[in-house]
Formats: sequence, structure tokens, C-alpha cells
Amino acid sequence: ETGVTQSPTHLIKTRGQQVTLRCSSQSGHNTVSWYQQALGQGPQFIFQYYREEENGRGNFPPRFSGLQFPNYSSELNVNALELDDSALYLCASSSPTGERTEAFFGQGTRLTVV
Amino acid sequence: AQSVTQLGSHVSVSEGALVLLRCNYSSSVPPYLFWYVQYPNQGLQLLLKYTSAATLVKGINGFEAEFKKSETSFHLTKPSAHMSDAAEYFCASSKGSSNTGKLIFGQGTTLQVKP
Repeated sequence: ETGVTQSPTHLIKTRGQQVTLRCSSQSGHNTVSWYQQALGQGPQFIFQYYREEENGRGNFPPRFSGLQFPNYSSELNVNALELDDSALYLCASSSPTGERTEAFFGQGTRLTVV
Repeated sequence: AQSVTQLGSHVSVSEGALVLLRCNYSSSVPPYLFWYVQYPNQGLQLLLKYTSAATLVKGINGFEAEFKKSETSFHLTKPSAHMSDAAEYFCASSKGSSNTGKLIFGQGTTLQVKP
């Protein structure tokens, strides 16, 4: 079990609403990456935060935004929700230095947009 | 652009049989490569990783994978399948030649293990 925690585990939103998902990174990790996993698909990279700054972004529109806090936890915000935003949202924490540099994933937040 | 292709969306084996899950990558430079496993309604757990130190990589739960640059492949194997191996498996590549946490995933392969 990793030290990456995500909240909430499930939520249901209505089309057009806004949602905030949260992620606490593993101790010692200063980098958080967010992924969207649609049903039956592999995860797709949304963006990454390193030391509170966005450090790379995938092919997602600007209504997907994020924050990273001084304790390296992170939020993913999605505005104007669409039905296709229904997915499992995963965050992963990592550190670019040190012995173990792989990304550790949280359990995910299952978002359903109706 | 970098990509990862997993051949076969579903693989079915009998308990005790060899497991072979296929992964091919495309990259202009040798990437870091990973295999993750996902159980229903859970996140991803790292099985093993290739970071150019050794071409044959051993992971957890008896899995191993071999990096073959000439074939741009990183297939996952396990000599003897166990019922608990039934899950979704994802091959992933790092963006670029270092592990930055930005991963490109394949579509996944569902492993079914029959008794």
C-alpha cells in the first residue's frame, strides 16, 4: 500500500458543475501527477506539479486546472463538467531524485457526471 | 510521438500456465518502462521497472520482463499463473529518457486465470 491518499473516493456531479479532487503525496515526494482513466482505457496524463508549479500538461482543455500546496499535496479542479469527464482520476506522487524514483499511485477518485 | 502498445486486450490462461503479456514502445530514445497492475476499483501498483541497468527485470509476485531494444518490446512474463494474478495490467513508458513521473500508458490487458 502506498502513502498516496485521494479524496473523495466516489462522487456524482451534474453536467456543468465544478469539482475539486484532492491528493496527498507520499512522504518525501515533491511531485504530483494527475491522470484520467476512462472505463476500459489506460490512464491519460493530465498534468504534473513540481514544487508548486505546473511542470508539463497533457492534451486536456484549460477547464482542467490544478494546484500544489507547500506540503506538496495537490488539487485537481474541473470546471463545466461534461458527461465524458466521467472517469477514475488517479494521482501519483514521485520524486525526481533519490533511489526510488517511480511514481506511486493513489486509489483514485471515481467521478460520475450525470 | 511516444506511444505504448499492448497486444491483446484480453489474455486467458489456466492456473499454473505461463503468463505472457505483450508490450511494444515507440520512442526516439530508450525510455524508462514500467508494468503496473490494477485490481478492480483500485489504483495502480508497480510490478517492475526498467531503467537501463539490466535488460531482464524481476518484479514482485514472480513477474519479470525483458527489455529488447531491437524489438522495441518489454513483454511481461510469469512462469506459473495463480488465480490471484487475475487483474488489469498496464505497460507504461516515461516521457523522455528519465523517470519524471509523466507516464504514457498502453490500453491495458485483462488477464483471466481459469482454474
